[in-house]
Amino acid sequence: AQSVTQPDIHITVSEGASLELRCNYSYGATPYLFWYVQSPGQGLQLLLKYFSGDTLVQGIKGFEAEFKRSQSSFNLRKPSVHWSDAAEYFCAVGAGTASKLTFGTGTRLQVTL
Amino acid sequence: EADIYQTPRYLVIGTGKKITLECSQTMGHDKMYWYQQDPGMELHLIHYSYGVNSTEKGDLSSESTVSRIRTEHFPLTLESARPSHTSQYLCASSAYIVDEQYFGPGTRLTVT
Repeated sequence: AQSVTQPDIHITVSEGASLELRCNYSYGATPYLFWYVQSPGQGLQLLLKYFSGDTLVQGIKGFEAEFKRSQSSFNLRKPSVHWSDAAEYFCAVGAGTASKLTFGTGTRLQVTL
Repeated sequence: EADIYQTPRYLVIGTGKKITLECSQTMGHDKMYWYQQDPGMELHLIHYSYGVNSTEKGDLSSESTVSRIRTEHFPLTLESARPSHTSQYLCASSAYIVDEQYFGPGTRLTVT
């Protein structure tokens, strides 16, 4: 079965600084990978997804993620963080077309002004 | 506009009451899911459905039940609420099994 790990529970960055949130997965073949964002009291919104092809994926709100098979990683990046990016971020993995998604434990992002 | 709806958004109820959390989607999706999420914690899949009259239990054992009589509707029922059921419940839908899931805003349930 697939699994996903988000090593950082809580990250604080200054507004305008760059951001990288880590995500590591465990699966033997090429996984389906997702990044979601959850604002307080809300549901989850998809930021970006990777199924195949170009390993650098662009998403909404200026986010991007890079699939690195050799490192089993799918880290989320943003070059300049805005205060409105403060939220909970979840990485998710699907193993094959008949697999349910497995979500990571999330990383809480705090942005200081 | 295609969307996914959950009602109520907030519910405070006493122990032993029967409750139904509503979830409806106008996305035209066959796949629907219920997740349980404690504050600041990961999502746990408790039920899912791949179509009408098809429901399955998820990875986390739950005392709740679900039904899928119509494609767009996937309600979750607790026959007798307990304080341990206090949590946030998120409903989602997708076009395919491994695909983007669209989430509703959630129902925050408190059982006193």
